[in-house]
Amino acid sequence: AQTVTQSQPEMSVQEAETVTLSCTYDTSESDYYLFWYKQPPSRQMILVIRQEAYKQQNATENRFSVNFQKAAKSFSLKISDSQLGDAAMYFCAYRPHSGTYKYIFGTGTRLKVLA
Amino acid sequence: NAGVTQTPKFRVLKTGQSMTLLCAQDMNHEYMYWYRQDPGMGLRLIHYSVGEGTTAKGEVPDGYNVSRLKKQNFLLGLESAAPSQTSVYFCASSYSETEDQPQHFGDGTRLSIL
Repeated sequence: AQTVTQSQPEMSVQEAETVTLSCTYDTSESDYYLFWYKQPPSRQMILVIRQEAYKQQNATENRFSVNFQKAAKSFSLKISDSQLGDAAMYFCAYRPHSGTYKYIFGTGTRLKVLA
Repeated sequence: NAGVTQTPKFRVLKTGQSMTLLCAQDMNHEYMYWYRQDPGMGLRLIHYSVGEGTTAKGEVPDGYNVSRLKKQNFLLGLESAAPSQTSVYFCASSYSETEDQPQHFGDGTRLSIL
């Protein structure tokens, strides 16, 4: 069975600094998708960035980038120039390419941004 | 553009009561999902639907029923609420399950069962 593990329940970063959130997963599939979602105090889940497993190039969205290591089954999120609005719960999620309709979410990392 | 709207946002029930959570999306999405989120755990899939008139069980379906009579609406029902169902419930929708279509989430419903 596929699993997603986020080993950091909570992280802190100074405003304007860089922080990396870790995510590892386990799967026997060769093709799949990985996502990072942000959940601010408003509760709504917002897609931050996504990565297709067959693409070797790491995805980037403005200040957010990923370090995707397929062989190590690692998918970390780097937030550069952290802002107060980045404070939230961050969830890593895995989805197989086909065959199921189920996303598998990690337990989340709470990011605090210190002024 | 409303996206995914959940009703109600908060609700307190007594054990044994029934209620229905409503999820509505205006993006013409085929796929809809109900999740529950509990402290220290990721989102867990309760039920999902791949189109109007279809539903299927997810990871934790026991104690819940769903219906998708209209494409834009996905209802989650609790027939006899139990304290173990105290949780935050999220509805999500997506255009398809192909490619890398992300799920779009509602704001959640905080449900407390006393």
